[in-house]
Amino acid sequence: QIHLVQSGVEVKKPGASVRVSCKTSGYSLSNYGVYWVRQAPGQGLEWLGWINADTGHTNFARKFEGRVTMTTDTSTTTVYMELRSLRSDDTAVYYCARFKWLGDYYFDSWGQGTLVTVSS
Amino acid sequence: EIVMTQSPATLSASLGEGATLTCRASQNINFNLAWYQQKPGQAPRLLIYRTSTRATGVPARFIGSGSGTEFTLTISSLQSEDFAVYYCQQYNNWPPGDTFGPGTKVDIK
Repeated sequence: QIHLVQSGVEVKKPGASVRVSCKTSGYSLSNYGVYWVRQAPGQGLEWLGWINADTGHTNFARKFEGRVTMTTDTSTTTVYMELRSLRSDDTAVYYCARFKWLGDYYFDSWGQGTLVTVSS
Repeated sequence: EIVMTQSPATLSASLGEGATLTCRASQNINFNLAWYQQKPGQAPRLLIYRTSTRATGVPARFIGSGSGTEFTLTISSLQSEDFAVYYCQQYNNWPPGDTFGPGTKVDIK
């Protein structure tokens, strides 16, 4: 069975960094990428970027370039998203989701979400 | 870049009524469209892919249709568990980017 399990709630001060993990299981990383979106309170889904979890190839939304990093630990099949220089408007629930690499990239499995609160 | 729009922003309906949600793409995306349902405090859940194929476990009352630039999600008879936000997502052009529409909230009249 396919699972994506994310790390827990984070509370950060402005200017700090946060790293959210997404532990995958039940499928082969080599056939899938991991896509990250966030959702601010009461808002829609905002794309941050994605990573090919096997090769490490990444692509980021222009808005987050220079501020976001995505990495993979293939030994633990865990994907990480780090966001730096946090601001109050980065407060959101962050989700990971898998998509088929070089295929139909709809998102058939999702993590449960990680609430990141940025507050002084 | 393909821009997705959804209408209405909010749809109010009663239990047992039908509901029709619309999603439009700024350019032709063929049949490469998915729908997701999101309930409060939960992650989005894949409902439909390739315009009309229901994901595993999705009830038959969820019906997707359309092609090209205009798509609809019809819920034939609303159940209490269907009140949620629905997002459409295109996956026509590689690589993936900003692919989601803004969402339609279905709430109880």
